[in-house]
Amino acid sequence: KAGVTQTPRYLIKTRGQQVTLSCSPISGHRSVSWYQQTPGQGLQFLFEYFSETQRNKGNFPGRFSGRQFSNSRSEMNVSTLELGDSALYLCASSSHIAGSTDTQYFGPGTRLTVL
Amino acid sequence: GNSVTQMEGPVTLSEEAFLTINCTYTATGYPSLFWYVQYPGEGLQLLLKATKADDKGSNKGFEATYRKETTSFHLEKGSVQVSDSAVYFCALSEEVGDMRFGAGTRLTVKP
Repeated sequence: KAGVTQTPRYLIKTRGQQVTLSCSPISGHRSVSWYQQTPGQGLQFLFEYFSETQRNKGNFPGRFSGRQFSNSRSEMNVSTLELGDSALYLCASSSHIAGSTDTQYFGPGTRLTVL
Repeated sequence: GNSVTQMEGPVTLSEEAFLTINCTYTATGYPSLFWYVQYPGEGLQLLLKATKADDKGSNKGFEATYRKETTSFHLEKGSVQVSDSAVYFCALSEEVGDMRFGAGTRLTVKP
């Protein structure tokens, strides 16, 4: 079974621009979560989608948004980029069923650099 | 809220040494606990997990036991190899899709 894929792997943007990252989950997985990883803050939860609905959200400003499509693929968008948004963005998928916890499987990440 | 505290690194060991990486957690309910490993330039790979008290997760010679009385999930391996060099993350999950991670412990194993 193919793993979680993320595109692109690397991105360089300048302050004020916006960016869209893409994630394809493991086949059959309907839950997709996004995380931001930085040396200073570590791994932080952004949001989670299941069946095209955001079910859970971390503590990030509204510049960070996401969506999920009917085939479970997900995108996240960051608008008005700031230097502090430079990070590794990780996507994870699971076969989550509401009311339970399940293992998350991670993609290789998208390395975003904001200049 | 839920949180994870893990042993700060870096940790440097010689090949075949015994490894312990401490992890303690704070949770309001009954979370599942995980250890993930991250190799340079890669995402996180699941190493092992435990879903209830006294469960032992194990994989590739690594073990961790879910201890509710001490709220701990320490990672151990009896004999490390150079190939085990990586960053190890302890994590818990109680809410759907929301996994809380420790800060990570960098392990370097020298031949």
